[in-house]
Amino acid sequence: LAKTTQPISMDSYEGQEVNITCSHNNIATNDYITWYQQFPSQGPRFIIQGYKTKVTNEVASLFIPADRKSSTLSLPRVSLSDTAVYYCLVGDVGGGADGLTFGKGTHLIIQP
Amino acid sequence: DTGVSQDPRHKITKRGQNVTFRCDPISEHNRLYWYRQTLGQGPEFLTYFQNEAQLEKSRLLSDRFSAERPKGSFSTLEIQRTEQGDSAMYLCASSVQTGYEQYFGPGTRLTVT
Repeated sequence: LAKTTQPISMDSYEGQEVNITCSHNNIATNDYITWYQQFPSQGPRFIIQGYKTKVTNEVASLFIPADRKSSTLSLPRVSLSDTAVYYCLVGDVGGGADGLTFGKGTHLIIQP
Repeated sequence: DTGVSQDPRHKITKRGQNVTFRCDPISEHNRLYWYRQTLGQGPEFLTYFQNEAQLEKSRLLSDRFSAERPKGSFSTLEIQRTEQGDSAMYLCASSVQTGYEQYFGPGTRLTVT
């Protein structure tokens, strides 16, 4: 049973806000939610991590509802350079490899 | 730049040969991870180390694969008797602890002919 479910692909335009939702119905009490970005021929890059409510950093926001069964990565005012694959991971901080499942991710394509 | 480095960046080998890859993590990171990634798929966990101890291995990891992290610093991943199905990008990452932000290296692209 997959730990997370994300859309396979999304399209948007420069200057728009993009929201990518990840479903994790079986999230455990100690699990955190982490998002990575990956460009072709590069390793993934950490974007943001959260446990509940809202987390914001200089590149993105992460919204987590009270039941924590889903989360939404929000990218404000995207540009062409935001075209990449985005992965949602769920796992226990400090725990084992159970939280290291990347899945297929969401391929985000930004158009001019 | 003191990020994660991997060597070599590209490796072409014939089926049946052995190959070894090296990963140098960020120096203060205790945890080191190896992943494999094929086209169109996300990184697939292979194994990880806490300092020099190998704590977990994916049950998908064939016995032809072995990894070491002597002295808890750099790590090597060896693939014996390579097969065409081993062709992939091999990624190394390090972090302070599992679940915390992982820093990935550029990867080693292996092609088995």
